Amino acid sequence: GESVGLHLPTLSVQEGDNSIINCAYSNSASDYFIWYKQESGKGPQFIIDIRSNMDKRQGQRVTVLLNKTVKHLSLQIAATQPGDSAVYFCAENRGKNAGNMLTFGGGTRLMVKP
Amino acid sequence: KAGVTQTPRYLIKTRGQQVTLSCSPISGHRSVSWYQQTPGQGLQFLFEYFSETQRNKGNFPGRFSGRQFSNSRSEMNVSTLELGDSALYLCASSPGVGVNEQYFGPGTRLTVT
Repeated sequence: GESVGLHLPTLSVQEGDNSIINCAYSNSASDYFIWYKQESGKGPQFIIDIRSNMDKRQGQRVTVLLNKTVKHLSLQIAATQPGDSAVYFCAENRGKNAGNMLTFGGGTRLMVKP
Repeated sequence: KAGVTQTPRYLIKTRGQQVTLSCSPISGHRSVSWYQQTPGQGLQFLFEYFSETQRNKGNFPGRFSGRQFSNSRSEMNVSTLELGDSALYLCASSPGVGVNEQYFGPGTRLTVT
């Protein structure tokens, strides 16, 4: 499979537990954020997005929280399953002049223990 | 709807050669972006095209170029390949300007020997 990062931070959770993956961003002009999941050998898969005029958004089993004061983003996965094991990336879009350009974080590897 | 498709999926080239990678976006999507993914540098933006025009370009040398066709399909080219160009090249498609949801293809794994 692909090696998406040699020294990725790793979060190990028990199946059924909730997972929280964190991401810090640096640009206060960023107004759109996306979380992606990447499994070995595949391209990043869109999970959920949030715009800067919101602080929380929920999807199916996932919630994204945005704290603009401290420039922090988190992804919460409820009832984590073995199929959730992957590398998770946050990405930011730095305002309208950036077009669709995304700046990615380094990624977090999530390992789910059965 | 079919997803983003990229061809070829795997490629092995020799230093000094050039390579062309192809991306077909999701039907109806008009914006295509390219990214390079390596273990050391992570995911880095290369360029974005919309309506056959390059809208943004990342911090890569001029050896990296791209284009978009009237049917929104895109190609990227890397000339005078270097060992450090070995990477997974990812294409992402989006409906258009101001709509930022982007969907990635499976990537092309380029190995330069």
